[in-house]
Amino acid sequence: DTGVSQDPRHKITKRGQNVTFRCDPISEHNRLYWYRQTLGQGPEFLTYFQNEAQLEKSRLLSDRFSAERPKGSFSTLEIQRTEQGDSAMYLCATPGGPSSYNEQFFGPGTRLTVL
Amino acid sequence: GESVGLHLPTLSVQEGDNSIINCAYSNSASDYFIWYKQESGKGPQFIIDIRSNMDKRQGQRVTVLLNKTVKHLSLQIAATQPGDSAVYFCAEKEPGGFKTIFGAGTRLFVKA
Repeated sequence: DTGVSQDPRHKITKRGQNVTFRCDPISEHNRLYWYRQTLGQGPEFLTYFQNEAQLEKSRLLSDRFSAERPKGSFSTLEIQRTEQGDSAMYLCATPGGPSSYNEQFFGPGTRLTVL
Repeated sequence: GESVGLHLPTLSVQEGDNSIINCAYSNSASDYFIWYKQESGKGPQFIIDIRSNMDKRQGQRVTVLLNKTVKHLSLQIAATQPGDSAVYFCAEKEPGGFKTIFGAGTRLFVKA
């Protein structure tokens, strides 16, 4: 258990619906990352927050995707008008480890299936 | 473009043997590399990291080797155990940036 929690763990939705995922990071860390992982591939960077500021967004994050971190603690990732190609595991990560400043602790992920 | 890849998609080893997982990277400016382990249904788990000013770093049963000349790194697992069965990703920290760039992964099977 890394201390990073994500909710829900699984989400099945129909194409065109909106979905929202939540990440609760390890407390006291100001950095938070979202990644997307499709089957058989490594995680792909989506976006990065430092406190409540979204400092970087990937080209993968189309205008249907929006992420927020309103109070610099938990974060939400919303996908509007979902498409089948959005089916993936969405991972949240925060740094924080005694061995490395850059080490990232990942949550268990939210697996999205778009029918 | 960005590229961190792996030579072999799967690796099968006998329990007790040593495992070697290889990885190539393309950005010569990269200065920080990480190996992650991912078990089914879980997020990636940090194993070990190395900075470009080093060519070897050891952890508990794991060693990472970095060859900057050929832009190659490897993960060695000593006395591989069934619990080591997972997908292993090499990753690099974007130089001067925030993101971590992952390769596609190698699945390690440990035969009892």
